Order: sequence, then C-alpha cells, then structure tokens
Amino acid sequence: EVQLLESGGDLVQPGGSLRLSCVASGFTFSSYAMSWVRQTPGKGLEWVSSFSSNGVSTYYADSVKGRFTISRDNSKNTLYLQMNSLRAEDTALYYCARVYSHYFFDLWGQGILVTVSS
Amino acid sequence: EIVLTQSPGTLSLSPGERATLSCRASQSVGSNYLAWYQQKPGQAPRLLIYGASSRATGIPDRFSGSGSGTDFTLTINRLEPEDFAVYYCQHNAQGLTFGGGTKVEIK
Repeated sequence: EVQLLESGGDLVQPGGSLRLSCVASGFTFSSYAMSWVRQTPGKGLEWVSSFSSNGVSTYYADSVKGRFTISRDNSKNTLYLQMNSLRAEDTALYYCARVYSHYFFDLWGQGILVTVSS
Repeated sequence: EIVLTQSPGTLSLSPGERATLSCRASQSVGSNYLAWYQQKPGQAPRLLIYGASSRATGIPDRFSGSGSGTDFTLTINRLEPEDFAVYYCQHNAQGLTFGGGTKVEIK
C-alpha cells in the first residue's frame, strides 16, 4: 500500500526541540521530492519545507528558516524534520507530503500533532 | 508573497446541485501552478486538480478546474454526499501558499 506515516509529535516547551519522522512505503521514495506542511485552525494550511528528489536542494518557509532542518535517508525511506527553538505559533498538525509535478502534493500522511506550550 | 483568497467562505447546497468555488490570486500564478484539494474532517487533504485543470488520479469527472492568471474556479457537478467537505486552492509560483478554504455544506 502506498502510504506515509509520521511520528515524533509531542508536547514541548517553548525554546525546545523535536524531530519528526515520516516513513514512506509502497513507492520509490528516492524518486520523489518530499515536503512538510502544517495546519492550524487559525492559519490553515502552511507549507513548511521541502527536500528535492536529487538529494541536494532544500527549501524553507520564512517562518521556520534558521530553526527547522529537513533531511532524508533514502536507505530507510524516511523524511525528517528537526525543529529547534520552537515557538507557540509552531503548534500545529504536521503532515508529510509527496511532491508531484510543479510542487503539488499528491500523497499525504495522516498528520502528527506538535504542541508548543509551557 | 502571493496571497490566495477563496470565496465564498461557506457554500450551502443540496446533493445533485452544482458547486462553483473561486480562488483569486493577488498576482498572476500562470496556469500551471494552481491546485485544488479536498479535506474531510479528521483526514488529510486530497489532491483533486493540478495545473489548474488536470484531474489527479482517481478523481471523478464531476470535478473540474478552470482559470489562469489570477482567477481560478473549481466546479463540482451533481454534488454527491461524499463531496461535502472543505476545499483549498494552492499555488507554487513565487513561493507556495494555500488559500483559506471554502466549506461546502449540506443545505
């Protein structure tokens, strides 16, 4: 079955760190660019970061640049998001998503909740 | 940053009716860089339309997309019960953002 499964979400204090993981199955992970997208009731859907399929290029939203790092391990079919210096406004449901064509998202995980609060 | 504004915020319709959803961009996004997603409660978004008018794999032909530049439309012909959901547009020209969504609810 083609799927993405996120893990690593938790309750963390402001200023803390967290690493999210996304394991892919059912498709050739290394052939696809991958992304993280988050969703909150207030701000809706927000693209966070992407990692190109060529394994070289990474992209970040301004809101997370310098604090978050995206990486991937193609041998483990896994995408990661290292989140440092977390803020209350980073509280969201984080989705892992597969990139299709001109950076559309054709496969999504079920989402993992990150809560930043003291 | 290109802002996408979706209207109306909520659309109240009956099964069998046609739904017309609008997505307006603050500047041109061309015709290749606009997508539509459907999201049901407790589920992740699902890609419906990409490149403004191409249906994603497995999407029924009652869903259609049109438009270019700054004005885009998602049309759902003959609403089925499973079509009542929230719909988002998304662009990836000069950055990547989503619209605020349109909720299609049962009248």
